[in-house]
Amino acid sequence: DTAVSQTPKYLVTQMGNDKSIKCEQNLGHDTMYWYKQDSKKFLKIMFSYNNKELIINETVPNRFSPKSPDKAHLNLHINSLELGDSAVYFCASSRTTGYNQPQHFGDGTRLSIL
Amino acid sequence: EDQVTQSPEALRLQEGESSSLNCSYTVSGLRGLFWYRQDPGKGPEFLFTLYSAGEEKEKERLKATLTKKESFLHITAPKPEDSATYLCAVQAAGGNTPLVFGKGTRLSVIA
Repeated sequence: DTAVSQTPKYLVTQMGNDKSIKCEQNLGHDTMYWYKQDSKKFLKIMFSYNNKELIINETVPNRFSPKSPDKAHLNLHINSLELGDSAVYFCASSRTTGYNQPQHFGDGTRLSIL
Repeated sequence: EDQVTQSPEALRLQEGESSSLNCSYTVSGLRGLFWYRQDPGKGPEFLFTLYSAGEEKEKERLKATLTKKESFLHITAPKPEDSATYLCAVQAAGGNTPLVFGKGTRLSVIA
C-alpha cells in the first residue's frame, strides 16, 4: 500500500535521448510535486500541480515537461537529456497547497546519463 | 531570497550521546518550518511542522524547537536506528510557495 510510487526506480540512458518518469499517489491528495536532488544531496523544487493545474514552475529548462492526467498522477518527460540531468528525481504529494500540509515523498528515480 | 543553512554537515555520536542539529533560516514571513528524515536510497520522511517561535514538537527521542531565526532538532539518547540524514525546510507565507530545503545533516550513531 505504497503512498507515493515512482517508476522506474533506476534509469540509465544516453545523452540526447528522451525519457519519462511516472508518479502515482493513493493518498487522495490534491497537490503533487517534482523535486531534483543533485549529487550534493540538495533537494530543489521543480514543479507543482494542484488538481491538475500547474501552480509552481521554477527555473527549469524547457526540456522538462510535467503532465498531470488526473490529480493522482504526475509524470515528468525530459527531452534531449544532458549530462547535468543526472540526479535523483523525487515525486511528492500533499493534501492541498495550504497551511499545515506536510509533503509525502516517493523513493525517487535515479537518472544516470552516459 | 529564502535560505536554509544546516549545521553540522555530518555528526557522529555514540549510542546514548545526546546532541542537537541546527537549522538557520531567512524567509520573507514564515508559514512553516519542516523537519524530514531521509534514509539512503529513500525519499524524505516527514517528522514535524513548526509554525511560530517558541513552539516545540516531540516524537520518541526527537524534539524540535523553533525561534525567529533557527530551529533545533534535539536527539536524546540516540540509537543506531536514528542514523539518517535530517533535512530542514521552510515555506514562506503567501500564495503557492514552495518548500526550500537545507542540505541536511548526516547523522551516524555508533553502537
